[in-house]
Amino acid sequence: DGGITQSPKYLFRKEGQNVTLSCEQNLNHDAMYWYRQDPGQGLRLIYYSQIVNDFQKGDIAEGYSVSREKKESFPLTVTSAQKNPTAFYLCASSMRNLVTSGTTSSYEQYFGPGTRLTVT
Amino acid sequence: RKEVEQDPGPFNVPEGATVAFNCTYSNSASQSFFWYRQDCRKEPKLLMSVYSSGNEDGRFTAQLNRASQYISLLIRDSKLSDSATYLCVVNGGYNKLIFGAGTRLAVHP
Repeated sequence: DGGITQSPKYLFRKEGQNVTLSCEQNLNHDAMYWYRQDPGQGLRLIYYSQIVNDFQKGDIAEGYSVSREKKESFPLTVTSAQKNPTAFYLCASSMRNLVTSGTTSSYEQYFGPGTRLTVT
Repeated sequence: RKEVEQDPGPFNVPEGATVAFNCTYSNSASQSFFWYRQDCRKEPKLLMSVYSSGNEDGRFTAQLNRASQYISLLIRDSKLSDSATYLCVVNGGYNKLIFGAGTRLAVHP
């Protein structure tokens, strides 16, 4: 069964603690993404990775860190520097457009079930 | 101006109704367009891609108007199970997608 898994589904932490959210995919996708969703708002891009050992900051990267040591895995660490960490975190993956110039097209992204993080 | 704008709704419609959602985007260079569906407290799921010529999938029809930078989604014969939030999605650069905040649909008996 191909898909994306995220664990855990719910996570509770005390303020000041770092926490790592897991994301694994077996779709053989090169690209992976982390988003954050707050109530009543759209998805905001935190970090993305087009290929192993490479990643870029998204729109709201401050207070977060990632690694991409394996194609299948893209863990996100929410550090104590993130001011408002309580949110719904979504991981996604997609095929990667191999044309790097003269195009702004993208493949569709597929999402994991998400992790709800609550920091008190 | 937001990169992708949608009417937040909610749209409250009876079963069997036809409902249309609109979305505008700001980047005229965008080439990929999608509609996703998100149920309450769940992940977004791809509903359909949107092609230049317009496309249909059962009760769902998507249209693209590049000149006006406008995308639409039409749902015919609404079912209770169509109740969800519909996200308009546009690519915002190389392998990046920009998600609208969504339009909430509530279908009632």
